[in-house]
Amino acid sequence: QKEVEQNSGPLSVPEGAIASLNCTYSDRVSQSFFWYRQYSGKSPELIMSIYSNGDKEDGRFTAQLNKASQYVSLLIRDSQPSDSATYLCAVNIETDKLIFGTGTRLQVFP
Amino acid sequence: DTGVSQDPRHKITKRGQNVTFRCDPISEHNRLYWYRQTLGQGPEFLTYFQNEAQLEKSRLLSDRFSAERPKGSFSTLEIQRTEQGDSAMYLCASSSGDSMYEQYFGPGTRLTVT
Repeated sequence: QKEVEQNSGPLSVPEGAIASLNCTYSDRVSQSFFWYRQYSGKSPELIMSIYSNGDKEDGRFTAQLNKASQYVSLLIRDSQPSDSATYLCAVNIETDKLIFGTGTRLQVFP
Repeated sequence: DTGVSQDPRHKITKRGQNVTFRCDPISEHNRLYWYRQTLGQGPEFLTYFQNEAQLEKSRLLSDRFSAERPKGSFSTLEIQRTEQGDSAMYLCASSSGDSMYEQYFGPGTRLTVT
């Protein structure tokens, strides 16, 4: 079983809609959770971090963490074509290193 | 505050040659990480430093790979006797001890081994 799993997509949503991206992880001792956005040919850009159960909002982004169910999600409200990218879920397990999922490709069409 | 920088941005080399990449972290970040990313995959951890100490190395890191951070500032990653399977994007990230391991990535070095 992979340590961090994401649906590869593509997830297609119309402009203005809510995009919902999901991630599950296998290690119960995971403490820190991150969402990165990666445009094609570019490096990952940190957009959200979450450490406690519940929701964390930052602008149009909301991260949700449920440690009992071992999943973390990212909601993007009012999706824009510029949000089209691959979204990587990353988990910190015990040490400083991050374990990444393979990413979900999001397409926002006008 | 400048971000993480990496040099070179692109490197094409012939199989069997040695290559070295450099990473300059965000100033005052004491942790520095190296990852490798291939097409369609997420970044894979290679190694990390806290100040000048190399604290962890992945099993992916064969003995052809070596990393240093001699003065706790910039870091170098060397690959000896490159193989075609080494072709990838090599990413460097840094973090501060205060940020709960939030890691900020540089632009990466794309290596092509022919």
